[in-house]
Amino acid sequence: LAKTTQPISMDSYEGQEVNITCSHNNIATNDYITWYQQFPSQGPRFIIQGYKTKVTNEVASLFIPADRKSSTLSLPRVSLSDTAVYYCLVGGGWNSGYSTLTFGKGTMLLVSP
Amino acid sequence: NAGVTQTPKFQVLKTGQSMTLQCAQDMNHNSMYWYRQDPGMGLRLIYYSASEGTTDKGEVPNGYNVSRLNKREFSLRLESAAPSQTSVYFCASMREVEGASSGANVLTFGAGSRLTVL
Repeated sequence: LAKTTQPISMDSYEGQEVNITCSHNNIATNDYITWYQQFPSQGPRFIIQGYKTKVTNEVASLFIPADRKSSTLSLPRVSLSDTAVYYCLVGGGWNSGYSTLTFGKGTMLLVSP
Repeated sequence: NAGVTQTPKFQVLKTGQSMTLQCAQDMNHNSMYWYRQDPGMGLRLIYYSASEGTTDKGEVPNGYNVSRLNKREFSLRLESAAPSQTSVYFCASMREVEGASSGANVLTFGAGSRLTVL
């Protein structure tokens, strides 16, 4: 199983860009990197997923270097509503098995006015 | 489009009582999961079901049983509740990719069921 390491918490202010880095040194060839967001009293929800280089959607960007041993979730111009826990998951590729979907403790992002 | 629906949202039990948490999904997903989340912790997998009629243990299965009633429904049962089972329980289903170039599996979660055992 590919283990992930993220900062426990991060603080930011409204309007700033936030970058959350996840380390996954033993990522396998068919592993993807997926980020989830969880608000208090809600289930996690999918934000973004990538395999290599850069992926961007309407919510965030995901940067993955060539060696794929880390990834960075980038949230542009955060607002108070971006305060949440962010989880980085590695695995889940085709035919990879279900046990790879393991959540760590995530990164608690607190956005202040 | 309801996604994943869990009932009940809240429940208080006394030690030794039994109860069943219900979960249903309308996305035609094959696999379904039950996680628990304790304060300040990530999600821990209790049981999962890869398809109708199959179930497998996850990381913390002790004290729980599951039933995959049909493709839509996956229930979690506590036969004799203990205070250590006080937690928030999340059900999820997974969209499975169909080929090596189709991305990776993505989980869709329900809103959670908050259980307190006194």
